[in-house]
Amino acid sequence: GDSVTQMEGPVTLSEEAFLTINCTYTATGYPSLFWYVQYPGEGLQLLLKATKADDKGSNKGFEATYRKETTSFHLEKGSVQVSDSAVYFCALGTNAGKSTFGDGTTLTVKP
Amino acid sequence: GAGVSQSPSNKVTEKGKDVELRCDPISGHTALYWYRQRLGQGLEFLIYFQGNSAPDKSGLPSDRFSAERTGESVSTLTIQRTQQEDSAVYLCASRTGTGGANVLTFGAGSRLTVL
Repeated sequence: GDSVTQMEGPVTLSEEAFLTINCTYTATGYPSLFWYVQYPGEGLQLLLKATKADDKGSNKGFEATYRKETTSFHLEKGSVQVSDSAVYFCALGTNAGKSTFGDGTTLTVKP
Repeated sequence: GAGVSQSPSNKVTEKGKDVELRCDPISGHTALYWYRQRLGQGLEFLIYFQGNSAPDKSGLPSDRFSAERTGESVSTLTIQRTQQEDSAVYLCASRTGTGGANVLTFGAGSRLTVL
């Protein structure tokens, strides 16, 4: 079945550091890939997405590129801020309808 | 409504009692999902409704769990004879259609504590 594997956390960085959170997936067919974010005390919300191979999703300085050859969708940001502290979830969606999530990675950014 | 609405936001119950959690999806969203999020853990898929098709119940952890949805409206997740391991945040999400690229919109969740 479909699965998403995320880099284990928690991740702690200093402000302005470079962030990478790894995500790999297993799926039949050609899924769409997502990163969702859950800020403290809030619900999950979409951060970015990519719907086909080599697409790059970007939002709020975050980027992720859909790599079909390595079945990966790593999240990156060049310079993190304290306000980026949150839990990040990698997910895939297929046309069969079901969405599969990774276990989430907790990011803490210290001033 | 403007977003996915869940109620109650918090529920404390005694072991062995039944609970009902409600989800009101975005109007027009044909797909509705329930997930469970235990403290510090990821999202565990429970059940998926798509329009009038038979629901995908493959994630329900035991027969104490059930969910209903009438058409494309409100859904209710029922947990019978609650156990302490049922304590978690129960998240509902909805989206349009079946397309894999369609984005899920989540509710704020219902936090269940079983004493």
